[in-house]
Amino acid sequence: GAVVSQHPSRVICKSGTSVKIECRSLDFQATTMFWYRQFPKQSLMLMATSNEGSKATYEQGVEKDKFLINHASLTLSTLTVTSAHPEDSSFYICSAVKGVLLNEQFFGPGTRLTVL
Amino acid sequence: DAKTTQPNSMESNEEEPVHLPCNHSTISGTDYIHWYRQLPSQGPEYVIHGLTSNVNNRMASLAIAEDRKSSTLILHRATLRDAAVYYCILRSDYGGSQGNLIFGKGTKLSVKP
Repeated sequence: GAVVSQHPSRVICKSGTSVKIECRSLDFQATTMFWYRQFPKQSLMLMATSNEGSKATYEQGVEKDKFLINHASLTLSTLTVTSAHPEDSSFYICSAVKGVLLNEQFFGPGTRLTVL
Repeated sequence: DAKTTQPNSMESNEEEPVHLPCNHSTISGTDYIHWYRQLPSQGPEYVIHGLTSNVNNRMASLAIAEDRKSSTLILHRATLRDAAVYYCILRSDYGGSQGNLIFGKGTKLSVKP
């Protein structure tokens, strides 16, 4: 199998601060990673596509200056929520694509962000 | 990406088979049918995927209709650990989607002991 980790698993921060979430593929290299957000009792919403060595592609309605994505290596992508507000409280999930076929996609365990 | 339609919820008894349906009447020839499941407070977990032929793996079986407009995920013997939200997702290998998965509301499966 393939393992994707996220750190931290949960974080509580004050309004106005920035929070960085890491997504790592532990036993494979991932040229493409995805970031999702999930509000309570709702489905996952794709936020952005992260490609190693290039700028992320954001979905419509997602502010790229607020959700900074960096994919600096083949095993690590980071999502930074800048100037977080209570409405940014959510479950953030990343996924990593193994191989070039794009059919094998593995998800991280998620990060629960609570902004006070 | 083409849309899928799934029942909001289903119930099953433990150790009985479960058939989770998915309708995708607008599926295109390049769309793969993917199934993922999500346990509470966890990230989604890959279950199975297929294109035209039925597929089997250690977790489940995927039965695809001949016209590909519907499919069924089959859990042969449900356990309490199978209680989750099951997502049926279509994804094309072509075009601008580049592999991203678009999640619908899925089917919440409850398993009774």
